Amino acid sequence: DAGITQSPRHKVTETGTPVTLRCHQTENHRYMYWYRQDPGHGLRLIHYSYGVKDTDKGEVSDGYSVSRSKTEDFLLTLESATSSQTSVYFCAISDLQGRTEAFFGQGTRLTVV
Amino acid sequence: QQQVKQSPQSLIVQKGGISIINCAYENTAFDYFPWYQQFPGKGPALLIAIRPDVSEKKEGRFTISFNKSAKQFSLHIMDSQPGDSATYFCAASMGYGGSQGNLIFGKGTKLSVKP
Repeated sequence: DAGITQSPRHKVTETGTPVTLRCHQTENHRYMYWYRQDPGHGLRLIHYSYGVKDTDKGEVSDGYSVSRSKTEDFLLTLESATSSQTSVYFCAISDLQGRTEAFFGQGTRLTVV
Repeated sequence: QQQVKQSPQSLIVQKGGISIINCAYENTAFDYFPWYQQFPGKGPALLIAIRPDVSEKKEGRFTISFNKSAKQFSLHIMDSQPGDSATYFCAASMGYGGSQGNLIFGKGTKLSVKP
């Protein structure tokens, strides 16, 4: 398995609270991604990063922010969690963008009650 | 706007049979088409990928067929085994950098192979 660690693996939080998910890689890959996976929707890109402090929005970025202060860490923050953000979140990394293999973490199951 | 359409949503195949999953795309600028396999509780993992300059790519029991004129590509799993039971995602990207370089995924197909 590629060296990707997501934390926490499971989390239950209350509506309106802030939540931060962490993705840590040991592969020194340039690109890092956050996806959410929901039944019937597949994998949807939330935000991605193409370098330290370089991030951009994906398809479903509303309500989420990200930060990347080091090559190895990519943080996803829900400023004020809502029930619609209950999902499984996957971090992915790739050396190049698009035309190469993306390696996925094990996922974080987030429940907002 | 769904740029990659995948079908069927679910598929049940008998052991030893052929599993076929189809994807269609609209954007002719896509030039990289991977398939990912996901087991329950795990992240997706790359299974096989193809570029539009070839019509078919085979790796073991897994084959991608690509039809550029129809803007369709499909995954064939020969001699399907219960261990192949998983969710399969097709994807596409343009690889030009910026947001265009990101993978766009289909909605997934849940495959069950019955013994």
